[in-house]
Amino acid sequence: DADVTQTPRNRITKTGKRIMLECSQTKGHDRMYWYRQDPGLGLRLIYYSFDVKDINKGEISDGYSVSRQAQAKFSLSLESAIPNQTALYFCATSDPGTGDTEAFFGQGTRLTVV
Amino acid sequence: AQSVTQPDIHITVSEGASLELRCNYSYGATPYLFWYVQSPGQGLQLLLKYFSGDTLVQGIKGFEAEFKRSQSSFNLRKPSVHWSDAAEYFCAVRQAGTALIFGKGTTLSVSS
Repeated sequence: DADVTQTPRNRITKTGKRIMLECSQTKGHDRMYWYRQDPGLGLRLIYYSFDVKDINKGEISDGYSVSRQAQAKFSLSLESAIPNQTALYFCATSDPGTGDTEAFFGQGTRLTVV
Repeated sequence: AQSVTQPDIHITVSEGASLELRCNYSYGATPYLFWYVQSPGQGLQLLLKYFSGDTLVQGIKGFEAEFKRSQSSFNLRKPSVHWSDAAEYFCAVRQAGTALIFGKGTTLSVSS
């Protein structure tokens, strides 16, 4: 089983709909992140959380919200999806206890907003 | 502001030829440096990382990278490219207590 699991893997939704992308991890890491990937733009940080009570905006947080339900779960919501939010979304974790030396990524969620 | 630049959007290399992918960063201090690879339709795989010490770091799949503080660079190299190396490569940087910041990526094509 994957250490960082994203659900769903693929999703098509309509403009204006609310959608939630979920991320769960079994690595026991405190730090979790959400990125989106667009062709030619690389990965851009949406939100990150260094522990359950800590939520921080990233470079492109507008139009998104997050919830850190537990150490192992970090969800990304699009309250009213729009077509330019069509992208590949990645969740990641890291562990400050080991020097926060590496981020571990999920397999990604491909979201299409029509 | 912190930034990562990968100057080359797309590179084509002949199989068996050497490869160098460029990465420059803009930070106040020496950050932690990473290279990731993404094969088509796949997630991200860490190739190598640099935190301190020897400025030439070895990674998986025969890749290496050299940190040059004076040039704010962390270029990725491989002496002989294989067709399976065709992928997108991302340089990423992070300072302690912050999140990873990625470059826009370089797509590598390998010709036979």
